[in-house]
Parts: sequence; structure tokens; C-alpha cells
Amino acid sequence: DAMVIQNPRYQVTQFGKPVTLSCSQTLNHNVMYWYQQKSSQAPKLLFHYYDKDFNNEADTPDNFQSRRPNTSFCFLDIRSPGLGDAAMYLCATSRDRASDEQYFGPGTRLTVT
Amino acid sequence: RKEVEQDPGPFNVPEGATVAFNCTYSNSASQSFFWYRQDCRKEPKLLMSVYSSGNEDGRFTAQLNRASQYISLLIRDSKLSDSATYLCVVNPGGSYIPTFGRGTSLIVHP
Repeated sequence: DAMVIQNPRYQVTQFGKPVTLSCSQTLNHNVMYWYQQKSSQAPKLLFHYYDKDFNNEADTPDNFQSRRPNTSFCFLDIRSPGLGDAAMYLCATSRDRASDEQYFGPGTRLTVT
Repeated sequence: RKEVEQDPGPFNVPEGATVAFNCTYSNSASQSFFWYRQDCRKEPKLLMSVYSSGNEDGRFTAQLNRASQYISLLIRDSKLSDSATYLCVVNPGGSYIPTFGRGTSLIVHP
């Protein structure tokens, strides 16, 4: 049974056209994360929520925004995608503190044309 | 020095071989450690947590060396299905934000 679900699995968008990626979880975890991963690189944390508290990484571009309307859902908004934003976007959750193990969704592969 | 460093490999080994990876971390206050496995174009999945006393799960053994600030993963009797990228994750104390290494690629061949 899927515990962290991401939609869509594949997204193609045009340069500059806003796009929203979604993540939902059935684990009732407090913490949700968004990562960007490019080929042969480590996942790069963009931001995370601890419950409703939003935490932005210092080097996350303003082009990336996030919303968490409730415990189960979290969204990643890319306001004006550039070619350099093409990547795999991974959503993850952890039960409480980030010291707990993380559970990842299958990812959304974003292509920017 | 990067916070978490791994040799990217690839490690190319025959079936049945024993292979070990290390991962070094810079923050001596780090509190928790994990190994994740990531298959090509898939999401990372937890392989094992790393405890101070070391832990073993079947063919996999993880160890923590706090004095030298590294964790290790040992895979015995490698299988073709072990081919993947192995990501080291370290949780530095205080910020509670997990930090990923770039991963070590393992290729097990017949």
C-alpha cells in the first residue's frame, strides 16, 4: 500500500509556465520534505514542514514555493520553471523529528521544454 | 570539507563478493545515521539505520565510528539485485535536517 503518493509521476511544462506538484501521505507524519534530485547527484532539500511550520533552505530559489493545507497534503509550486529546474522532485515524510527515518514518494520527473 | 562525503564509485564486483562503503561526516555532534538504497530513476528507500553498537540485517552490516566520524556499510555475498546507489544520510545535531551524501554506485556482475 502506497504511503507517500506523488502526482503526477511525470510532468512536462513549458519554460516559464507555472506548475504544481503534489504529495500526499497516509502515515500521519508530522514532517514533510521536498527534495530536488538531478542525475548522479544527492537529493537537495528545498524546504520542509514540521507540522505547519515552514522551513525554507537558504539556497532555495524564490521560484519555488510550498503549501501544506493539512497534515496529509503538501504541494510544490514552481512559479516560472527554467530549463535548469528539470529534475526529479521527491517528497518525503518522517514521523516526528528529522532524526527519524524518512519515507519517500516515487517522485515526479519534471521536464521543461 | 563537505558535510557528508561518499566515494561515488562505481564499485564493480562479481556476484558473491564482499564489498564495503564508507561515508564520512564533518559534524561531530551528528546524532543519527542511515543508509538508503536508490535504484535507477526510483526513490530512495531505507536500507538500515546505523546504531552506535553496529547492526546487522542478513547480508548487510552497518557500523558507526564516532571517533573517526564515519559510517560503513558491508555487503556480503553480493547479488545481482544489490546493484544500486547507496546513499548515506546523516542528521546533524540541532537543526534536525538530514544531510545526504551523493551516493556510492554498486554494480554487481555475473
